[in-house]
Amino acid sequence: GEDVEQSLFLSVREGDSSVINCTYTDSSSTYLYWYKQEPGAGLQLLTYIFSNMDMKQDQRLTVLLNKKDKHLSLRIADTQTGDSAIYFCAEINNAGNMLTFGGGTRLMVKP
Amino acid sequence: EPEVTQTPSHQVTQMGQEVILRCVPISNHLYFYWYRQILGQKVEFLVSFYNNEISEKSEIFDDQFSVERPDGSNFTLKIRSTKLEDSAMYFCASSRDINQPQHFGDGTRLSIL
Repeated sequence: GEDVEQSLFLSVREGDSSVINCTYTDSSSTYLYWYKQEPGAGLQLLTYIFSNMDMKQDQRLTVLLNKKDKHLSLRIADTQTGDSAIYFCAEINNAGNMLTFGGGTRLMVKP
Repeated sequence: EPEVTQTPSHQVTQMGQEVILRCVPISNHLYFYWYRQILGQKVEFLVSFYNNEISEKSEIFDDQFSVERPDGSNFTLKIRSTKLEDSAMYFCASSRDINQPQHFGDGTRLSIL
């Protein structure tokens, strides 16, 4: 079945760039997503990329997709303390109606 | 911006009791979903629902689970006879169409005693 893997933890200094990585297994996924979860809150959709794209930029966020290696990354430029959260990547199944999530990467931003 | 709302935010129930978790999806969305996250584990898909029917369900979604859209705005998840292992955060989501981004509520924390 589908599997999505992420590293558990990332620590950066305020103002630096953060890069959160994700690998997935389902090569037929049409879309890949990044969600953010702050303490006590739900899953906030951050951005997503269509599988025929290599890159998508949205303000401070850059998503890179390497379809050959099934590798997805999220770069946050000029990371702020408010970016501290858990970041989940997710892939959609072929039918387009089920997300498979990674375990989440906890980003800690130090002042 | 429209959002998915879930109630209650926290539900405490005795083992063996029935529980109903409620969700109000975004109003022009057609697809509805339930996911759960057991503490320390991944977010897991339970079920997707479209046009008053289940369109996909996982192995977790066994006979003790059911979903319903009782009116034009609510979407509910019922657990018939709760077990200790049903303790988790339950997330509702909705999307405008298939393959469109799913928007999540803040979740209901279910604690089974």
